[in-house]
Amino acid sequence: SQQGEEDPQALSIQEGENATMNCSYKTSINNLQWYRQNSGRGLVHLILIRSNEREKHSGRLRVTLDTSKKSSSLLITASRAADTASYFCATSGGYQKVTFGTGTKLQVIP
Amino acid sequence: DGGITQSPKYLFRKEGQNVTLSCEQNLNHDAMYWYRQDPGQGLRLIYYSQIVNDFQKGDIAEGYSVSREKKESFPLTVTSAQKNPTAFYLCATRGRSDEKLFFGSGTQLSVL
Repeated sequence: SQQGEEDPQALSIQEGENATMNCSYKTSINNLQWYRQNSGRGLVHLILIRSNEREKHSGRLRVTLDTSKKSSSLLITASRAADTASYFCATSGGYQKVTFGTGTKLQVIP
Repeated sequence: DGGITQSPKYLFRKEGQNVTLSCEQNLNHDAMYWYRQDPGQGLRLIYYSQIVNDFQKGDIAEGYSVSREKKESFPLTVTSAQKNPTAFYLCATRGRSDEKLFFGSGTQLSVL
């Protein structure tokens, strides 16, 4: 079963606009991570936020976490065509099992 | 993808055949994972291993088997019991003091 559900499933924006994707999960977590996947490739880690954090920034990425609502959002500011990819959230309740959401497919139009 | 090698990149399985997907890592990571990804969908956990000679079932282990005889290697066998094996298979690793996963470049398995 998928731990996370992402919304929207697909998103198409113009270059320069901001992109926001949301992730909801079901059980308590230690941390939540976001990954990026280019078509036909492996995933690449973007950012991690711990359960006691509410917001984190890394370059053009901003992640928020609301543990009371069991949800997280990823904001990509000033998007570029190279940001076109699928984005996944992943949750970990401990050191061991890491489960992924369903993903958001982002298309940035030049 | 550096440090994790998945092979082959493409694999074809005949009816009733077992096939084995290779995952090798030189990152000295303790934990290794196998995920299945169907077209346009998320990743589903098949098996994971914390240490050598130990592994646990994930969410969709039926029809799959693994071994962890060496720290560097975590091969996945797709058995004939897996009736719908066509998917993209991803191997990942995680270090002892790290929480993020590192992924290989994947193996696309198709049924002839």
